[in-house]
Amino acid sequence: AQSVTQLDSQVPVFEEAPVELRCNYSSSVSVYLFWYVQYPNQGLQLLLKYLSGSTLVKGINGFEAEFNKSQTSFHLRKPSVHISDTAEYFCAVSDRKSGGYQKVTFGIGTKLQVIP
Amino acid sequence: DAGVTQSPTHLIKTRGQQVTLRCSPKSGHDTVSWYQQALGQGPQFIFQYYEEEERQRGNFPDRFSGHQFPNYSSELNVNALLLGDSALYLCASSLVGYEQFFGPGTRLTVL
Repeated sequence: AQSVTQLDSQVPVFEEAPVELRCNYSSSVSVYLFWYVQYPNQGLQLLLKYLSGSTLVKGINGFEAEFNKSQTSFHLRKPSVHISDTAEYFCAVSDRKSGGYQKVTFGIGTKLQVIP
Repeated sequence: DAGVTQSPTHLIKTRGQQVTLRCSPKSGHDTVSWYQQALGQGPQFIFQYYEEEERQRGNFPDRFSGHQFPNYSSELNVNALLLGDSALYLCASSLVGYEQFFGPGTRLTVL
């Protein structure tokens, strides 16, 4: 069984400041990792994914994440945030055995609040 | 190209009733997954349909059932509704083994 821990429920940050949203996962098998964003009253949008290869993954809207297998972490970063980044961010994991995208386990989410 | 669509957008039911939620996948997708997102929580996997059969299931009771039609659209049925079933229900579609695209969800309130 897999699990995802998002260490911060809310992260306030000033506009144009950098931000890091933390995510740790637990799994007994190799995994795929994802970050999703959810704007108010909307569904989930995929920001980025780690499948294999380079541990630094670049996504949409200037976000990137680094896969650290030894620390079982997949932290999300952005060097300079914008007001429009205010949203809830979900880290998610899927084990490779089940076919990758098929059964995705989500964390409880981190609310990013960008302060003007 | 329309993305994943869900209907209705909002729904209010009372305890003990039954509800049916509907999902139309993104064009070209053949797999539909359903998730429940309670307030303040991340989405929880309910089940997944491919080729009109339930392929995987999460930790949800048998009150939660589904169906996939030959055109790949899907329904989620919940019987004997409980207050705790109040949530946003998300549908995601994909080609089997590939990235899931999410719909906007159906907000179910059980009174």
